[in-house]
Amino acid sequence: AQSVTQPDIHITVSEGASLELRCNYSYGATPYLFWYVQSPGQGLQLLLKYFSGDTLVQGIKGFEAEFKRSQSSFNLRKPSVHWSDAAEYFCAVGVVGNEKLTFGTGTRLTIIP
Amino acid sequence: GAVVSQHPSRVICKSGTSVKIECRSLDFQATTMFWYRQFPKQSLMLMATSNEGSKATYEQGVEKDKFLINHASLTLSTLTVTSAHPEDSSFYICSATLDRYNEQFFGPGTRLTVL
Repeated sequence: AQSVTQPDIHITVSEGASLELRCNYSYGATPYLFWYVQSPGQGLQLLLKYFSGDTLVQGIKGFEAEFKRSQSSFNLRKPSVHWSDAAEYFCAVGVVGNEKLTFGTGTRLTIIP
Repeated sequence: GAVVSQHPSRVICKSGTSVKIECRSLDFQATTMFWYRQFPKQSLMLMATSNEGSKATYEQGVEKDKFLINHASLTLSTLTVTSAHPEDSSFYICSATLDRYNEQFFGPGTRLTVL
């Protein structure tokens, strides 16, 4: 079965600084990969997704992620964070033939002035 | 596009009563809908997968008689928490998918509080 690991439970970043959230997955074949963001008391919003092709994926709100097969990683990056980026971020993996997604445990992002 | 709504957003009920939560895909027909439960500061726990016109598939450890799921149409799925107890208090989120690429579109969630 596939699994997703988000090693960082909580990250604090200064506004304007760069951000990288880590995500590692475990699966034999190439999975579908997603990053979702959740604001307090809200549902999840898709930031970006990787299915195939270019391994550098651009998403909404200035986020990007890079799929690295050799490292089984799909890290999320943003060059300059804004206070509104404070939220919980979830990495998820899906596989061909199975509609379910497996979610990581999430990384809570705090932005300081 | 791809908007999913949930109703109600918050519900408070007495122990022993039943609560129904609706999940609707507003601008697309969803092949599959999912129901998740989320505890404070934790990840999403998949409860069940439902397809229109067929019985829901429950994850291990989820009581199907307690969490009744009805997927009446391609745009509507309902979760009924029967005989709710305080331990059922949680944040319930639904999602819907429309293609084979697994992308799920999430509703805004329902906060259930059982007194």
